[in-house]
Amino acid sequence: SQKIEQNSEALNIQEGKTATLTCNYTNYSPAYLQWYRQDPGRGPVFLLLIRENEKEKRKERLKVTFDTTLKQSLFHITASQPADSATYLCALDMIAGGYQKVTFGTGTKLQVIP
Amino acid sequence: ETGVTQSPTHLIKTRGQQVTLRCSSQSGHNTVSWYQQALGQGPQFIFQYYREEENGRGNFPPRFSGLQFPNYSSELNVNALELDDSALYLCASSLQGVNTEAFFGQGTRLTVV
Repeated sequence: SQKIEQNSEALNIQEGKTATLTCNYTNYSPAYLQWYRQDPGRGPVFLLLIRENEKEKRKERLKVTFDTTLKQSLFHITASQPADSATYLCALDMIAGGYQKVTFGTGTKLQVIP
Repeated sequence: ETGVTQSPTHLIKTRGQQVTLRCSSQSGHNTVSWYQQALGQGPQFIFQYYREEENGRGNFPPRFSGLQFPNYSSELNVNALELDDSALYLCASSLQGVNTEAFFGQGTRLTVV
């Protein structure tokens, strides 16, 4: 079955620096890979989606890369702000036989220090 | 706000009881997915419904069942509750076949005692 690894330890970063979060997966390359933000006690909020034939996607201060050879996605937040502090989840979206299955990682907690 | 609403927000049940959780999807979305999220873990996929039919299922026993209604709202039913069922239950709606961006509700916090 598909397994996803995200940094289990919290990532502390100084305000203004670039935060880089890692998502590694095993087995099959997904059709899509997504990144979500989750604040305590709230549901995840969609940030970015990248397809298997895309190398990079950007949205404002966010950038996602997808390397199907390394089976890895990197998520970057440039010019980080304390408001970026949250848990970031990556999710792999597989479609097989017309059925969809989404697998989330455990998330990486980001703390941006003023 | 995502437009996805879940009810109730909190619930306490006794082991062995049954529970029904509800989700109203975002307007225009025809697909609903349910997830279980234990403390400190990522959401675990339970199942997905598309146009009232189950369209995918994770590794959950049959006592987890669901329904999707013609207006695309959905229910998650859990029978014979166990202590380990205590978790945050999340509902997400999306538009099948366009992209898989999912819009999550705020979740239902279920505590089994």
